[in-house]
Amino acid sequence: AQSVTQLDSHVSVSEGTPVLLRCNYSSSYSPSLFWYVQHPNKGLQLLLKYTSAATLVKGINGFEAEFKKSETSFHLTKPSAHMSDAAEYFCVVLNTGNQFYFGTGTSLTVIP
Amino acid sequence: EAEVAQSPRYKITEKSQAVAFWCDPISGHATLYWYRQILGQGPELLVQFQDESVVDDSQLPKDRFSAERLKGVDSTLKIQPAELGDSAMYLCASSPRGRAGTDTQYFGPGTRLTVL
Repeated sequence: AQSVTQLDSHVSVSEGTPVLLRCNYSSSYSPSLFWYVQHPNKGLQLLLKYTSAATLVKGINGFEAEFKKSETSFHLTKPSAHMSDAAEYFCVVLNTGNQFYFGTGTSLTVIP
Repeated sequence: EAEVAQSPRYKITEKSQAVAFWCDPISGHATLYWYRQILGQGPELLVQFQDESVVDDSQLPKDRFSAERLKGVDSTLKIQPAELGDSAMYLCASSPRGRAGTDTQYFGPGTRLTVL
């Protein structure tokens, strides 16, 4: 069975400092993995996805994530946080039945 | 850029009333999903369609919720009667029928339901 664990429910960073949002997955094979961002009262926007190609995936708005099979991790990073990055972030795993499993989310606060 | 459309964006209703939400997926997308997202939580899948067929509705409260996608294009989610605990964001998403395990979901803006 597939599952996703987001290790931090809240992360706070200062503007201009690096962002790290952690995600671990459980799967019996190499899954497809995604990061979505959700701003208040908005739908979810795709940041990036991993589908067994390059392990370092670059997404929109300067975000990237690295798939590490040995650690079953897919952490999201950004070198320098911007105020507009404050939002809820979801890590998602996809199984071969096209069923998506969401993590519980990480709320990112950016301090001016 | 093609988007998933949802309406209404906001709905306020009294308990015991009926409500309906509409979703129009990205053209050509075979798979359509309805999610419920309670404030502060991640989305919870209610129902998944492949074309006009339901492939997963195991988490849909069938005593009060119904969903249809008659022509395999747009979809309607209905709640009757609405209860206070139904207050949430209802999200629709679609994905192309790609190779299994490689699809990407695209989300609509959601419908925020408040039940008084």
